[in-house]
Amino acid sequence: GQNIDQPTEMTATEGAIVQINCTYQTSGFNGLFWYQQHAGEAPTFLSYNVLDGLEEKGRFSSFLSRSKGYSYLLLKELQMKDSASYLCAVRDPAAGNKLTFGGGTRVLVKP
Amino acid sequence: GAVVSQHPSRVICKSGTSVKIECRSLDFQATTMFWYRQFPKQSLMLMATSNEGSKATYEQGVEKDKFLINHASLTLSTLTVTSAHPEDSSFYICSAYAGGADSGNTIYFGEGSWLTVV
Repeated sequence: GQNIDQPTEMTATEGAIVQINCTYQTSGFNGLFWYQQHAGEAPTFLSYNVLDGLEEKGRFSSFLSRSKGYSYLLLKELQMKDSASYLCAVRDPAAGNKLTFGGGTRVLVKP
Repeated sequence: GAVVSQHPSRVICKSGTSVKIECRSLDFQATTMFWYRQFPKQSLMLMATSNEGSKATYEQGVEKDKFLINHASLTLSTLTVTSAHPEDSSFYICSAYAGGADSGNTIYFGEGSWLTVV
């Protein structure tokens, strides 16, 4: 089966750093994705990791350890507009390469 | 970058009628598109995988006769909610696999469609 876990909610202060963890157990692995989703809107792509290590894109970074089935999304210099849900998703070739999503982590940025 | 367009963004229909939602890949060909639904404060639930030129693959518990999927071309997939009922009211989102190193080997989402059945 497939299981993807991430915390339900996190709160952080504007200007701070927040790290959202994601652990997964899937039959196969062909990449891990992070998406941002604001309330009432569709998800927007943030990052893609398929090899171990850190991918940095401006204020957002994503890390992957395939041996540990673990990823994190790091948000630096938090802004109020970063308040959103962050979705971790794994693509599993054993499941037709479809994306399986975690439950999402709601991040609330406070002034 | 790759863009996926979904239409309509919002639709209200009467109970018992059918509604069609379109998903288009605007600047790439998508052999595979995915349809999700999302209830408030919940994550995305995959409904079906739409394959160009063949029948869609539905997830367990999703009624294929109620949620008709057609993927007639490499840039268009449609989801038709037939005989809609109020419990079908939800946010429906499509996504398409862009493929290849140029596209970051990633999957992009449409803007989503809010369906309200009254």
